[in-house]
Amino acid sequence: EAGVAQSPRYKIIEKRQSVAFWCNPISGHATLYWYQQILGQGPKLLIQFQNNGVVDDSQLPKDRFSAERLKGVDSTLKIQPAKLEDSAVYLCASSLRGQGSSYNSPLHFGNGTRLTVT
Amino acid sequence: GDSVTQMEGPVTLSEEAFLTINCTYTATGYPSLFWYVQYPGEGLQLLLKATKADDKGSNKGFEATYRKETTSFHLEKGSVQVSDSAVYFCALSSAGGTSYGKLTFGQGTILTVHP
Repeated sequence: EAGVAQSPRYKIIEKRQSVAFWCNPISGHATLYWYQQILGQGPKLLIQFQNNGVVDDSQLPKDRFSAERLKGVDSTLKIQPAKLEDSAVYLCASSLRGQGSSYNSPLHFGNGTRLTVT
Repeated sequence: GDSVTQMEGPVTLSEEAFLTINCTYTATGYPSLFWYVQYPGEGLQLLLKATKADDKGSNKGFEATYRKETTSFHLEKGSVQVSDSAVYFCALSSAGGTSYGKLTFGQGTILTVHP
């Protein structure tokens, strides 16, 4: 099966600019996650969708970050305006969790988008 | 809240050496435990998992046992290879609540294996 697709792989922007990342999950996976991985740290959950509804966005900086998942498939994550501390790898993952499967079904991750804010 | 603590890295070993990466956790209830691996330039991949106390997860020669009494899930491999060089993440997933299926990660441990 095709894996989780993310684009772009790399992005360099100046602070105060805006940027958007795209994710296409594995076909049939209703749950989609965006994680932020700062260099030297473990991934941190930003937002979790179940179909096109938000399950958890408690750690999403809502003054500058937004995410949507129209039609319950693809998702976009946007940052506007970007700050230096937003430099990180943004990981998208999808899972069968919440679809009658056990809560311990694995997450499948994309290769991520590496964002550098200068 | 849930948290995962991994041993400080980086870890540097010679080929065929024994590997241990320590992982301890704090969670309410009975979480599932995971090890993920991230090879250079790639995304995170599930290495192994355990869903209840005393379960042993294993894959590619790696093993980890879910120890509820010590809240630990240490990763071990008897003989590492150069191709095992990667970043290893311990993670947990708690059942129920609003964050259904959310993974909480440790900070990662960089492993470098020399020939």
